[in-house]
Amino acid sequence: TQLLEQSPQFLSIQEGENLTVYCNSSSVFSSLQWYRQEPGEGPVLLVTVVTGGEVKKLKRLTFQFGDARKDSSLHITAAQPGDTGLYLCAGAKRAGGTSYGKLTFGQGTILTVHP
Amino acid sequence: DAGVTQSPTHLIKTRGQQVTLRCSPISGHKSVSWYQQVLGQGPQFIFQYYEKEERGRGNFPDRFSARQFPNYSSELNVNALLLGDSALYLCASSPYGMSSYEQYFGPGTRLTVT
Repeated sequence: TQLLEQSPQFLSIQEGENLTVYCNSSSVFSSLQWYRQEPGEGPVLLVTVVTGGEVKKLKRLTFQFGDARKDSSLHITAAQPGDTGLYLCAGAKRAGGTSYGKLTFGQGTILTVHP
Repeated sequence: DAGVTQSPTHLIKTRGQQVTLRCSPISGHKSVSWYQQVLGQGPQFIFQYYEKEERGRGNFPDRFSARQFPNYSSELNVNALLLGDSALYLCASSPYGMSSYEQYFGPGTRLTVT
């Protein structure tokens, strides 16, 4: 069962274009993280959002957590070839009254930015 | 400071064999988690260890086991390897204790089972 659905799965754009990646779920998450992964490497943490409606900005990247904490989006302005990579959203939720560091990942969005 | 390190980087095994993967967390991090990432998919949670105890387990068979040492490094063991175990195995450490959501990943060990 895929608890987090990312869309689109593939995105191929030209340098300078804007794009948005979506991460949706029917479940409520305590927090949501966005990671970027390059081939042959582990995911690199970009941001963590914990409050419903929260918006965080990281240079040209804008992250938003849905009001109900079930969805999130990543918007990139003026994409550059260096933004190319696999973008993963990951949610964390409490279980059984306690919480532990289990992340549930979406299947990822492969972004290619052409010069 | 050094990030999460994993060894080996690549490994080729045959079906039925056993494998041990190793992970050293970021200095000061006491929580280590293991994930399996099959090509084309997001990572799947296998285990979390905190203060040398198993704190969480994903939906993986008993062929998968792990442990954490007093220096907080960790090993993941997989017995009776199957072709479907071929994947990138990722280790992640967390700075804020057992309940930390922020995890910092190592480069992974690429396991190929033939």
